[in-house]
Amino acid sequence: EDQVTQSPEALRLQEGESSSLNCSYTVSGLRGLFWYRQDPGKGPEFLFTLYSAGEEKEKERLKATLTKKESFLHITAPKPEDSATYLCAVTTDSWGKLQFGAGTQVVVTP
Amino acid sequence: ETGVTQSPTHLIKTRGQQVTLRCSSQSGHNTVSWYQQALGQGPQFIFQYYREEENGRGNFPPRFSGLQFPNYSSELNVNALELDDSALYLCASSRNGPEQFFGPGTRLTVL
Repeated sequence: EDQVTQSPEALRLQEGESSSLNCSYTVSGLRGLFWYRQDPGKGPEFLFTLYSAGEEKEKERLKATLTKKESFLHITAPKPEDSATYLCAVTTDSWGKLQFGAGTQVVVTP
Repeated sequence: ETGVTQSPTHLIKTRGQQVTLRCSSQSGHNTVSWYQQALGQGPQFIFQYYREEENGRGNFPPRFSGLQFPNYSSELNVNALELDDSALYLCASSRNGPEQFFGPGTRLTVL
């Protein structure tokens, strides 16, 4: 059975304290892995798409990487505005029917 | 460029009632997907529409149904509401690829 597992469930960071979030997946025929950011009560905001092992993408303080079994979202020198739930999702088709993990809730304190 | 919009923002219904949620896709996007997100969980795929036809369905019962209109907007209908249907309902649109862009969601509470 296809599964997407995110760890840790919650992460509390001091401002400037870098860390990584993990997304491990067991799917047949990965066609894409996606990272989203979600603020409370709002819809997910698209961050990155990764298509093949070895691929990396960066945006401001965020960097996403992909291997054959997992993806990491690295947060470098986080700021309080980086506080959010980060969701990982995978798709096995070209239409983007997404299967999500449960998310990692990140809190960054000043 | 207009993003994905959803209406209403919040909705309260009682068990057994029916509800219709609406979504306008992002400009230029021809595919709409619907997701259900329970509190503290990741979104779960309900179904997807492309050119007014259902293009895949997740593990949801037939009382969850949908429509897509010629302008690519979409509706999600849920009949015979149950307490467990209380959730944030998310609409996402895309154009010729897997990247989905989400709307703000509709918060449905079933009493």
